[in-house]
Amino acid sequence: DAKTTQPNSMESNEEEPVHLPCNHSTISGTDYIHWYRQLPSQGPEYVIHGLTSNVNNRMASLAIAEDRKSSTLILHRATLRDAAVYYCILRDEGGGTYKYIFGTGTRLKVLA
Amino acid sequence: EAGVTQFPSHSVIEKGQTVTLRCDPISGHDNLYWYRRVMGKEIKFLLHFVKESKQDESGMPNNRFLAERTGGTYSTLKVQPAELEDSGVYFCASSQGGWNEQFFGPGTRLTVL
Repeated sequence: DAKTTQPNSMESNEEEPVHLPCNHSTISGTDYIHWYRQLPSQGPEYVIHGLTSNVNNRMASLAIAEDRKSSTLILHRATLRDAAVYYCILRDEGGGTYKYIFGTGTRLKVLA
Repeated sequence: EAGVTQFPSHSVIEKGQTVTLRCDPISGHDNLYWYRRVMGKEIKFLLHFVKESKQDESGMPNNRFLAERTGGTYSTLKVQPAELEDSGVYFCASSQGGWNEQFFGPGTRLTVL
């Protein structure tokens, strides 16, 4: 079972920042926090990942709480192309297995 | 650089028939994964290859499913015989190292009638 909890859906206006929350209260020390998104009719696409420190890349930023029990994916300026289902996934990278366990994700709707 | 490709994009078969799905990973990626989403549920892991070896096949639902990766390049997933509950979208993904990000293909939509 997925070890994360996300809101089912969120809405954002175009060109505004979006903060997508994720709760993972049972996170272990070897769990990395990964975010993927799935655009309509496509496979999931990597967005960002982190362990303890906040992370930035060209797509988004990841803010991780100090106790690591929650995290937030930040899209700095949402565009219509960002409308997708966003998945927050914990992956245990201490045990040699690299599978992803997907939850239901957050469906992001971007309004023009 | 070509991404992960899957063939066919869509397959419609009758219950009891056999279907083979193919996945071509990104060149040089030793790790190959199969996932599927059935009946509007979450995406579920099926198995993980490292080169031609099965590293983790804990998600394979039953012995009607057979995955192979001969030569460590492309992979096939055979369903024999197909059942109605096998309908869904089958995704393949690949990664360079096991800890690297996984690149997903567009999926094969399987419909069993």
